[in-house]
Amino acid sequence: AQTVTQSQPEMSVQEAETVTLSCTYDTSESNYYLFWYKQPPSRQMILVIRQEAYKQQNATENRFSVNFQKAAKSFSLKISDSQLGDTAMYFCAFMSRTSGTYKYIFGTGTRLKVLA
Amino acid sequence: NAGVMQNPRHLVRRRGQEARLRCSPMKGHSHVYWYRQLPEEGLKFMVYLQKENIIDESGMPKERFSAEFPKEGPSILRIQQVVRGDSAAYFCASSSGLAGAETQYFGPGTRLLVL
Repeated sequence: AQTVTQSQPEMSVQEAETVTLSCTYDTSESNYYLFWYKQPPSRQMILVIRQEAYKQQNATENRFSVNFQKAAKSFSLKISDSQLGDTAMYFCAFMSRTSGTYKYIFGTGTRLKVLA
Repeated sequence: NAGVMQNPRHLVRRRGQEARLRCSPMKGHSHVYWYRQLPEEGLKFMVYLQKENIIDESGMPKERFSAEFPKEGPSILRIQQVVRGDSAAYFCASSSGLAGAETQYFGPGTRLLVL
């Protein structure tokens, strides 16, 4: 069974600084997808970034980038130039088309606080 | 707004009552997923549906919980005889199901409180 682990329950960063959130996963699949979602106090789930496992190039979306290490099964999120609006829970998620299903498996989340 | 719609946003029920949660997927999406988030926890998969079919219900409790996605209308997650442990946020997500479109888009969630 696939598992997703986020080992940092809480983190804080100063505004304008850079922070990296960790995520590791376990799977025997070779073709899968990884995601980072943000959940602000409103509790809406917002897609931050996605990565296809078959792509070697790390995904980037503006200030957000990932460090995808397939062999190590690691998928960390780097937030550059942190802003107060980045304060939220961040969830790492794994998805593969196992047995025709497309369910996400989420980690337990990292609560990020950006300090003014 | 063509996003995923969920209603109600907040629902209060007394123990033993029924809760009905509705989800309208994004336009053009035919795959719906339900997740449950207990306080201070991550989201846990419950059920995956396509129009008129339940594809995967491995995360849904066998008793009291049911889900449907009819040919017309929203997907419904139904919880019968609710208990306090059912208090949680229930999120619906949708995707197109097309190859290369695996990303799920989430609705705002329904917060269920059981008194």
